[in-house]
Amino acid sequence: DAGVIQSPRHEVTEMGQEVTLRCKPISGHNSLFWYRQTMMRGLELLIYFNNNVPIDDSGMPEDRFSAKMPNASFSTLKIQPSEPRDSAVYFCASSPDRGRENIQYFGAGTRLSVL
Amino acid sequence: SQQGEEDPQALSIQEGENATMNCSYKTSINNLQWYRQNSGRGLVHLILIRSNEREKHSGRLRVTLDTSKKSSSLLITASRAADTASYFCATDANNFNKFYFGSGTKLNVKP
Repeated sequence: DAGVIQSPRHEVTEMGQEVTLRCKPISGHNSLFWYRQTMMRGLELLIYFNNNVPIDDSGMPEDRFSAKMPNASFSTLKIQPSEPRDSAVYFCASSPDRGRENIQYFGAGTRLSVL
Repeated sequence: SQQGEEDPQALSIQEGENATMNCSYKTSINNLQWYRQNSGRGLVHLILIRSNEREKHSGRLRVTLDTSKKSSSLLITASRAADTASYFCATDANNFNKFYFGSGTKLNVKP
C-alpha cells in the first residue's frame, strides 16, 4: 500500500483565497483524521471521521474551515477564505478500527502558506 | 486539556549514548503511543503500551508507563544519527479513536 496520500505537498496562496487540501487514506482504514501543526500550538486535531461520518469536529477553529469525506477513499479540508494565521502544516492520518489499539498512519503533510 | 507534555523539549547527545524522553498526561487512558517525526515528514508510529502494562520493548526502544503518576518514558538505547527527529507521545483519553499529542521532544544525535 502507498500509505496515506496528501496533495498538494505545498500550497502558497493569498489571503482571502479558497484552499482545498486532499487526502486519500489507506485502503481498509475506517477512521480519518485531519491535524494542523504549528510551532506555537503543536499538533492539533481538527476533525475526525469514522466510516465517512464526522464524529468530532470540535477542533475546527472557525466556520471558515470545513471537511468532507464523500467516500472511504477521499477526504478534503477546505479553508474559505484563507488568512495568514492559517499558515501551518496540515496532516491527514488514517487508522484501522481495531478496538483498543488504533495506530494512526500519517501522510507527508501539506505545507500551507497564506500571504 | 488532555494533551501530554514531553520533557525535555530538546535533547542533544552523542551517537552511542542513550536518550530518555518523558511524557506526562492528565486524565485516564486506554493506551499511550509514541511517534517519531523526521523533519518535513509525517509522524510514524513507534510503539503502543496499554494502560495495564508497565513496560514494553521494541528493538532499541523501551517504554515505561506509570498510570499512578500519569507519566511515560521512552528510552532509545545506543542512539544513532538516524534517530535524530522529534518524538511525540499520544494519549487516547478513553476514546479509542481520538488522540492527543504532546508538544514533542526534539532529539539531536551527533555523529
